[in-house]
Amino acid sequence: GAGVSQSPRYKVAKRGQDVALRCDPISGHVSLFWYQQALGQGPEFLTYFQNEAQLDKSGLPSDRFFAERPEGSVSTLKIQRTQQEDSAVYLCASSWNWVASGVNTGELFFGEGSRLTVL
Amino acid sequence: GQQVMQIPQYQHVQEGEDFTTYCNSSTTLSNIQWYKQRPGGHPVFLIQLVKSGEVKKQKRLTFQFGEAKKNSSLHITATQTTDVGTYFCAGYDMRFGAGTRLTVKP
Repeated sequence: GAGVSQSPRYKVAKRGQDVALRCDPISGHVSLFWYQQALGQGPEFLTYFQNEAQLDKSGLPSDRFFAERPEGSVSTLKIQRTQQEDSAVYLCASSWNWVASGVNTGELFFGEGSRLTVL
Repeated sequence: GQQVMQIPQYQHVQEGEDFTTYCNSSTTLSNIQWYKQRPGGHPVFLIQLVKSGEVKKQKRLTFQFGEAKKNSSLHITATQTTDVGTYFCAGYDMRFGAGTRLTVKP
């Protein structure tokens, strides 16, 4: 596709359910980021992939959160045993270059996000 | 990481007034990016600054990178209702600041 695609756009889960959120980045983009954005807040970094390698997962709030990108393209963010505080918009973004200890020269292209509501 | 802080958190202006938001870091930033998020939308890239003292303009928007590369600013001249949204900055590690939310009264 022409842009970053995320699905589902909306997800309502009962507390304790597991959810999986999918991100289909722009074709050929090396870098992929996941963010959590609560209402009225900025995007909070969750994790970063360079191709299939998860180089930084320091932002994942607990071991209930897990992300993968097995073939270096589509990524899935999984949340186990959802809690009410997990309610947020989950944003995925991709970039053509990779982030290293230096200058990141690639702009991020964001998807529309997946809005998760945990009841 | 390259933690960035933004001020002010909110800014309400009359249409036609100028607006400035600031992005500050306690450490030297290798580069900085600015994004705009419209209400209900997703962040959209505006610009990247790399060089010390760099100034870039996009129509009514002026972006500056401090000489010490520890701060940056975004200035909008003569705001319009289309400028409404939240403006975020991020360092090279793509950790975003909390943003400045701009509202414009027609």
